[in-house]
Amino acid sequence: GAVVSQHPSWVICKSGTSVKIECRSLDFQATTMFWYRQFPKQSLMLMATSNEGSKATYEQGVEKDKFLINHASLTLSTLTVTSAHPEDSSFYICSATHIQGTYEQYFGPGTRLTVT
Amino acid sequence: KQEVTQIPAALSVPEGENLVLNCSFTDSAIYNLQWFRQDPGKGLTSLLLIQSSQREQTSGRLNASLDKSSGRSTLYIAASQPGDSATYLCAVDQGGSEKLVFGKGTKLTVNP
Repeated sequence: GAVVSQHPSWVICKSGTSVKIECRSLDFQATTMFWYRQFPKQSLMLMATSNEGSKATYEQGVEKDKFLINHASLTLSTLTVTSAHPEDSSFYICSATHIQGTYEQYFGPGTRLTVT
Repeated sequence: KQEVTQIPAALSVPEGENLVLNCSFTDSAIYNLQWFRQDPGKGLTSLLLIQSSQREQTSGRLNASLDKSSGRSTLYIAASQPGDSATYLCAVDQGGSEKLVFGKGTKLTVNP
């Protein structure tokens, strides 16, 4: 149990375009979903925290107008990278906490974004 | 600001060896600490979660300890296998905020 999926697993887009990444909790309802970014050989950095039906809370230094987060239901959160630039190329990972569980976070498999 | 450090950054051992991975954190006011495994280009798999009131957790060949007062945790892997090769990440939950602060990881290679 506690499976989180992400779609797509990888995506290539051109500079200036937008790309949407989905994060779903497949077999549980999630209280909170988190979005992380990981650059090569670096640790995961939290970008934002989102709760269903409310606005996401962004970490310092993360542009909320560039990284749009929508948490439409207890099982789905989306991250849209708007007007993507090559420096946005990274590995994006989401996680979720179980509505009836502890604070343990369950992670998705990640999405590799390459902006050309 | 919480900082998490993992030593060593990389480790290569022969199969069958017991090994220890280290994690230290600067602020001892943590809610819990988790160890994760990450395979290349993949997401994270949770290995062990230690609540701040606990001293250790065990799962199979893995044992994680926590010394909150000194800001340290260790992950002990017994009888290592080539399939254990991966990057191991340590993360702390700061005061129950659910926000995890990660270390950079230790890349483990177990040679057959």
